[in-house]
Amino acid sequence: DSGVTQTPKHLITATGQRVTLRCSPRSGDLSVYWYQQSLDQGLQFLIQYYNGEERAKGNILERFSAQQFPDLHSELNLSSLELGDSALYFCASSVGGGPRQDTYEQYFGPGTRLTVT
Amino acid sequence: GEDVEQSLFLSVREGDSSVINCTYTDSSSTYLYWYKQEPGAGLQLLTYIFSNMDMKQDQRLTVLLNKKDKHLSLRIADTQTGDSAIYFCAESIGSNYKLTFGKGTLLTVNP
Repeated sequence: DSGVTQTPKHLITATGQRVTLRCSPRSGDLSVYWYQQSLDQGLQFLIQYYNGEERAKGNILERFSAQQFPDLHSELNLSSLELGDSALYFCASSVGGGPRQDTYEQYFGPGTRLTVT
Repeated sequence: GEDVEQSLFLSVREGDSSVINCTYTDSSSTYLYWYKQEPGAGLQLLTYIFSNMDMKQDQRLTVLLNKKDKHLSLRIADTQTGDSAIYFCAESIGSNYKLTFGKGTLLTVNP
């Protein structure tokens, strides 16, 4: 158990809908990262938040957005869902990840499996 | 640019050593990682190596880094059936914390 929790574990929804995935980082970790794992694209970085601020952005679609709250949990919002958005969405956390170069270890949660029908 | 390549499959017998290979293209990679993913589970951080190191050993795991050839390997000694999983190589570059992953190597351990 990495200490990173994600809810829900599974989500089935229809095209055009909107969903919210939730992540709680390990105790003491300031950074949260979101990754998408699909069969065709593999594991891809979406976005990183550090202590409430967006720190880095990857291949995240405009239909997707995220935020990190004062208690450091994070939510990934996916809207206008398409069949191709079906994937495993992972959250990871690390102690650092801010402007000062520090710890580089990212610990992953169990993932949320999203199925769009 | 960033690109991490791995062979897709490896099959070994229980008790043998497994060697999983990875190549990366960005010479400014700072850290290189190995993660393990079991079916239906998240990614477990196994080990990582800083780019100025050649080798790192942690119990049954040995990581070798050849910076000249941009080649990383993970050796698992005395491989057990519980080691059957997908192993991902990943890199981070400079102060950019995002991880770029390979496609993963499916390790099958036969009794």
